[in-house]
Amino acid sequence: EAGVAQSPRYKIIEKRQSVAFWCNPISGHATLYWYQQILGQGPKLLIQFQNNGVVDDSQLPKDRFSAERLKGVDSTLKIQPAKLEDSAVYLCASSLEYGGKSYNEQFFGPGTRLTVL
Amino acid sequence: KNQVEQSPQSLIILEGKNCTLQCNYTVSPFSNLRWYKQDTGRGPVSLTIMTFSENTKSNGRYTATLDADTKQSSLHITASQLSDSASYICVVIERDSNYQLIWGAGTKLIIKP
Repeated sequence: EAGVAQSPRYKIIEKRQSVAFWCNPISGHATLYWYQQILGQGPKLLIQFQNNGVVDDSQLPKDRFSAERLKGVDSTLKIQPAKLEDSAVYLCASSLEYGGKSYNEQFFGPGTRLTVL
Repeated sequence: KNQVEQSPQSLIILEGKNCTLQCNYTVSPFSNLRWYKQDTGRGPVSLTIMTFSENTKSNGRYTATLDADTKQSSLHITASQLSDSASYICVVIERDSNYQLIWGAGTKLIIKP
């Protein structure tokens, strides 16, 4: 079974530039998550999709971050314009269903490491 | 406020030794607790998922314990190997309509030969 795919793996940009990340979840997984992980911290949920609808984007800085999952499969996360504090690893995860019930395991991609100079 | 705290923040042990990582939480109501292993440059990988009724769960050399009364969990690693070097993250799930995941900051474990 193929895992969660993400690209690019690394990205270096200057502040005020734009950047986009792509994620392809495990086939058949209805729920897709984007996390931001700052060095030395646990992941922070940015946005959660159920199929192509948003179920939780309460921690997404909507003035500069946007995400979409148009066909209910792959997803893109965009930052425009980037700030220095956006330097982090952006993780994508997927699960069969929505939420953290004990049988609903999340599977993570390798992440995209973003450096903003 | 729902919180998950892990200790120690970092730990260095010699290959072959055992170690125990701690997780304390204030999440309520409780659904389940998960331990993840995150290798450098990789996404987290699930080690164990424990529900309220489970006290102990093993996955190879990893054994997780849960005391729901004191709201504490531990992850014990036996006969450590160099490949165990990673961050170990405790996640507690709140049993409400959203089953929200509350993440700890992780313990960075380094195994030295």
